Amino acid sequence: DTEVTQTPKHLVMGMTNKKSLKCEQHMGHRAMYWYKQKAKKPPELMFVYSYEKLSINESVPSRFSPECPNSSLLNLHLHALQPEDSALYLCASSQDGGGADTQYFGPGTRLTVL
Amino acid sequence: ELKVEQNPLFLSMQEGKNYTIYCNYSTTSDRLYWYRQDPGKSLESLFVLLSNGAVKQEGRLMASLDTKARLSTLHITAAVHDLSATYFCAVDYGGTYKYIFGTGTRLKVLA
Repeated sequence: DTEVTQTPKHLVMGMTNKKSLKCEQHMGHRAMYWYKQKAKKPPELMFVYSYEKLSINESVPSRFSPECPNSSLLNLHLHALQPEDSALYLCASSQDGGGADTQYFGPGTRLTVL
Repeated sequence: ELKVEQNPLFLSMQEGKNYTIYCNYSTTSDRLYWYRQDPGKSLESLFVLLSNGAVKQEGRLMASLDTKARLSTLHITAAVHDLSATYFCAVDYGGTYKYIFGTGTRLKVLA
């Protein structure tokens, strides 16, 4: 099974809402990633978890809060977002993240902030 | 600051033609990745290049890496319409968990 799943596929939220994005993989990968991708732009790294610990936070605003409850699951909690946060949010996983690893991407959650 | 640049940014080509996409990066790395993204879809891994001189081929696509020149190429042979997509290269920055993506090349193959 080389699949990374993400839910929901689409999300529309107001600026005062709290919502969460979910990502799951069952490949035994120990590194998991959140990317943000705006239209016609490359993915931008947001967070990296390695062995369930936050390894990289690319100066992401605190209205985005990642969580890695276990090695298969990655969440992104959203609160008080701005319209400019509307984007495709991609989750990825790789073997152990120590480099030389192919990343497997989920289908993404398309987020619209009103 | 690590920069990863691709050219061209846009490429429109006829079926049956050959072309090359270039990926330049600004710092030392011997690991480079190529991905494909169809419109509205996620990213699909195409190639992983792990050393200087590495060459990988799959179907009509061939990727190579020259770490001394900090350059990777993605060569398309006898293009077909199904290859229409956006292609990204990505560099593994300093052996960390940090992958930096190139600007992307939007390829359109005309029948």
